[in-house]
This record gives sequence, C-alpha cells and structure tokens, in this order.
Amino acid sequence: EAQVTQNPRYLITVTGKKLTVTCSQNMNHEYMSWYRQDPGLGLRQIYYSMNVEVTDKGDVPEGYKVSRKEKRNFPLILESPSPNQTSLYFCASRGGTQQFFGPGTRLTVL
Amino acid sequence: GIQVEQSPPDLILQEGANSTLRCNFSDSVNNLQWFHQNPWGQLINLFYIPSGTKQNGRLSATTVATERYSLLYISSSQTTDSGVYFCAVESVRGRAGKSTFGDGTTLTVKP
Repeated sequence: EAQVTQNPRYLITVTGKKLTVTCSQNMNHEYMSWYRQDPGLGLRQIYYSMNVEVTDKGDVPEGYKVSRKEKRNFPLILESPSPNQTSLYFCASRGGTQQFFGPGTRLTVL
Repeated sequence: GIQVEQSPPDLILQEGANSTLRCNFSDSVNNLQWFHQNPWGQLINLFYIPSGTKQNGRLSATTVATERYSLLYISSSQTTDSGVYFCAVESVRGRAGKSTFGDGTTLTVKP
C-alpha cells in the first residue's frame, strides 16, 4: 500500500529537549516536504526536498532542521524545542502531480 | 512571496445542496492543488489543476490562470464532504517546490 508514515503520532516534551520526527514514504518519490498546521493559519511549509541531499527552506524554517540522506526518509529535527513549536506536523511526498500526506504528528512543547 | 486567499472561510450547507469554494492567488502559478482535510485530520489530494477544468464524481475544479483564481465545485453535498478545503500553489517566480497554502474553507454539511 502506497503510504507516508510518521512517527511518533503524538509527543509531549519539554523545552530544550532535542527531538526527531521521522517520515518515510514507500512510493520512490523524489519530492518530500514538512508542514505545520496551527489553528486559523492553514498549513505552512517548513522545509522541502526535491531529491536526495537537496533541501530548501519553506516559509517557517526557524528552529527546525532536516536531512535527506536517502530517498525514502525525511526526518524533521528540533534541536531545542520551544513552546511556540507546539503544533500539528505533516510530512508529504509527491510523485508527478499527486501529493500524499502522512497522518500527522501532534507535538506539545511544555 | 505569493499570497493565497480562500473564501468563504466557513460554509454551512444542508445535505444535497451545491457549493462553490474560491481560491485567489497573487501571482502566476505552475502548480495548484486542492486538498480536503476530513474531521479526523487526514489530508487528501483532490485535484492538481494549474489551469483548465477537471471533474471527479461530484467534485469539479476550474482554474482561470490569467485571472489568478480557482474554483472548487461540490454538487449534491453529503455529510462526508464536511471538513476543511485547502488550495495550495507554487509560484512561477518562486523556487521550485516551495508551496503556499490558503487558510482554508471549513465546510459543514448537515443531514
């Protein structure tokens, strides 16, 4: 089954404790992207990757890092999370014209 | 960067009614997509439509690229159509892959 998986689905953490949200796709897509969704603000792009070893900033990259060492994985790293990074995070991959989203990760930073 | 405005922000319909959702964008685009987020949070791709018209069952979409807007039509709405509808664009002047979403239209279909 074609899918994008994210882990964990829910995470509560404390300020400053480094964390990684994993994202994996099994469709051999070159394009992958991370978004955050906050109430009333729609989805905002954090980082995206057009291919392995190629990443670029979206509209809200501050406080986040990504890496794309292999095509299927695109982890999102928060080196020092802060409460303003409390949000719902979506990973997506795109092949051709169709974009597939993961189920989302709800992150709470206390 | 490119601006994306969706209207109306909220829409409440009776089951069986038709609706039109609008997406205006401030620059030329080479990618425009419509998505549906269901009440459980799942995001589903509806249309890839940087120009022209497409139909898929009760849903259809039209993008008039020269006038910088796109419309999503939902006919004979059902309760399962409820959720938030987003359009997302990539500007021809922006970096390839950089995507901007509108704030969405929240649709509630009542039985």
